Amino acid sequence: GENVEQHPSTLSVQEGDSAVIKCTYSDSASNYFPWYKQELGKRPQLIIDIRSNVGEKKDQRIAVTLNKTAKHFSLHITETQPEDSAVYFCAASTHQTGANNLFFGTGTRLTVIP
Amino acid sequence: DVKVTQSSRYLVKRTGEKVFLECVQDMDHENMFWYRQDPGLGLRLIYFSYDVKMKEKGDIPEGYSVSREKKERFSLILESASTNQTSMYLCASRFRGNTEAFFGQGTRLTVV
Repeated sequence: GENVEQHPSTLSVQEGDSAVIKCTYSDSASNYFPWYKQELGKRPQLIIDIRSNVGEKKDQRIAVTLNKTAKHFSLHITETQPEDSAVYFCAASTHQTGANNLFFGTGTRLTVIP
Repeated sequence: DVKVTQSSRYLVKRTGEKVFLECVQDMDHENMFWYRQDPGLGLRLIYFSYDVKMKEKGDIPEGYSVSREKKERFSLILESASTNQTSMYLCASRFRGNTEAFFGQGTRLTVV
């Protein structure tokens, strides 16, 4: 199956600084790359996603970039705030008839220091 | 509002017991997933189902089985629980195709 690697495992930034989390994937057939945020004690929730026909997508302070040739994608958070503190997971998915499996990375614990 | 509900939030079982974890979704999603979450290991896929009675093994299926007799319900079964299956278990569901996956609240299972 797909192998998704995520770095770093922990990240601390000062409030107002930017944070970048990077992921690589192994299956060239993967074409959908979502990012999930999991706050302490809560379930993971989608924050942004990107499809393989797009190189970059932005939603307010969050952006995701995709390099299909290199098989890597990144999450960028600008002007970080304490409420951005959470664990972030990247994922990769392939579109196959009937079966759309979803593989996750190992997660990044982001701490925003006030 | 999508609801994915797991039957228990916390569960304590003894070694060797047969354990059932239930997941129900109310959005008519075709795809359902069971993940295991451990610190430093992220979300590891145990099993995936893309239709009623259809299933695929994920990365760590050993010691687990699943059942999907109805579209809305996906059950994870530990045939003989062992202490190394102590973990947080998360169920998720989504429509066919590359769409948003919705997670249940998780079941923290402790095997003693």
